[in-house]
Amino acid sequence: EAGVAQSPRYKIIEKRQSVAFWCNPISGHATLYWYQQILGQGPKLLIQFQNNGVVDDSQLPKDRFSAERLKGVDSTLKIQPAKLEDSAVYLCASIGQGSSPLHFGNGTRLTVT
Amino acid sequence: GEDVEQSLFLSVREGDSSVINCTYTDSSSTYLYWYKQEPGAGLQLLTYIFSNMDMKQDQRLTVLLNKKDKHLSLRIADTQTGDSAIYFCAESISGGSYIPTFGRGTSLIVHP
Repeated sequence: EAGVAQSPRYKIIEKRQSVAFWCNPISGHATLYWYQQILGQGPKLLIQFQNNGVVDDSQLPKDRFSAERLKGVDSTLKIQPAKLEDSAVYLCASIGQGSSPLHFGNGTRLTVT
Repeated sequence: GEDVEQSLFLSVREGDSSVINCTYTDSSSTYLYWYKQEPGAGLQLLTYIFSNMDMKQDQRLTVLLNKKDKHLSLRIADTQTGDSAIYFCAESISGGSYIPTFGRGTSLIVHP
């Protein structure tokens, strides 16, 4: 099966600019996650979707971050305006029914200068 | 503090066994995972274990779970240079959400 697809792979922007990342989960996976991975740390959950609904966005900095999954398939994560501390790898993951484990995409590496 | 803790670095010689350790705090953890991350890549699931198991073996990988001590380990037999990567331990909790919580990762360096 095809894996989780993410784009772009790399993005460099200046602070205060905006940026968007895209994710297409594995076909049929209802649950989708966005994680932020800062260099030297493990991934930290930003938001979880179940189909097109938000399950958990308690860790999402809502003043600048937003995410949507309008049709319950692919998802976009946006940052507006970006700060230097947003430099990180943004990982998308999806999970199928029941107890199957998370499958990750290769991530988008964001550098904010 | 961190919910999942790992040592940050491990250095081994090629051909030796590697043991990467992890401790977690939530006793209601249902699944415990080991992920591998190579430079510039996402996280690749290596193996996972249900909390009602003590051990799982998959080719060169052996996972041991001590529920009493909340301790998980990953043993890689005959470690190769291609095993050099960061290894993440993660736990998820039953209840429907299955949101894994990750440790900071252990950087495994394999030298000839």
